Amino acid sequence: NAGVTQTPKFQVLKTGQSMTLQCAQDMNHNSMYWYRQDPGMGLRLIYYSASEGTTDKGEVPNGYNVSRLNKREFSLRLESAAPSQTSVYFCASSEGSSTETQYFGPGTRLLVL
Amino acid sequence: RKEVEQDPGPFNVPEGATVAFNCTYSNSASQSFFWYRQDCRKEPKLLMSVYSSGNEDGRFTAQLNRASQYISLLIRDSKLSDSATYLCVVNQENRDDKIIFGKGTRLHILP
Repeated sequence: NAGVTQTPKFQVLKTGQSMTLQCAQDMNHNSMYWYRQDPGMGLRLIYYSASEGTTDKGEVPNGYNVSRLNKREFSLRLESAAPSQTSVYFCASSEGSSTETQYFGPGTRLLVL
Repeated sequence: RKEVEQDPGPFNVPEGATVAFNCTYSNSASQSFFWYRQDCRKEPKLLMSVYSSGNEDGRFTAQLNRASQYISLLIRDSKLSDSATYLCVVNQENRDDKIIFGKGTRLHILP
């Protein structure tokens, strides 16, 4: 099992460009999550999906959209990137609800110039 | 008061020593609690869940004190490989910000 995979590992964007971060899990988990981690801020939840076909906002959803394409895949889209979105983005999954253990992907390091 | 607070450290501890971290939370309705470990430039990984009765896994012991709203992590006989950042996680259902990560406590084990 690969667990949770994320692509790309690194990305540099110019302000205003768009991109989609991809995440997939092979553990047959129901819930998936997107976080960002900034120095001194800890991990903050952007969006989550409790099941296929549903998505909900987390703590910092502004500037992002998500798609739960199927049970395996949960993508995060930046429509018009801003320097404030420079961060490390982690995808995670859990078997059931958020009260259960989460398994994280290796992260995507994004720099917006 | 912030929702989940941790002492950022760093804690510089000699190998073999015992070290303890606390994490306080503000929402008394919080339902589940975890300690995660994060190595430099890596993803967080579950260290252990924290149960009301307390739980132990080898050299690691986690405790929950609901009355005072804190959880603790005790590491005995510390190893060089224990050097990492330890994240406290608090979950509370039915809220948009229902998963709250602490900012982490950095631990350096010194040879």
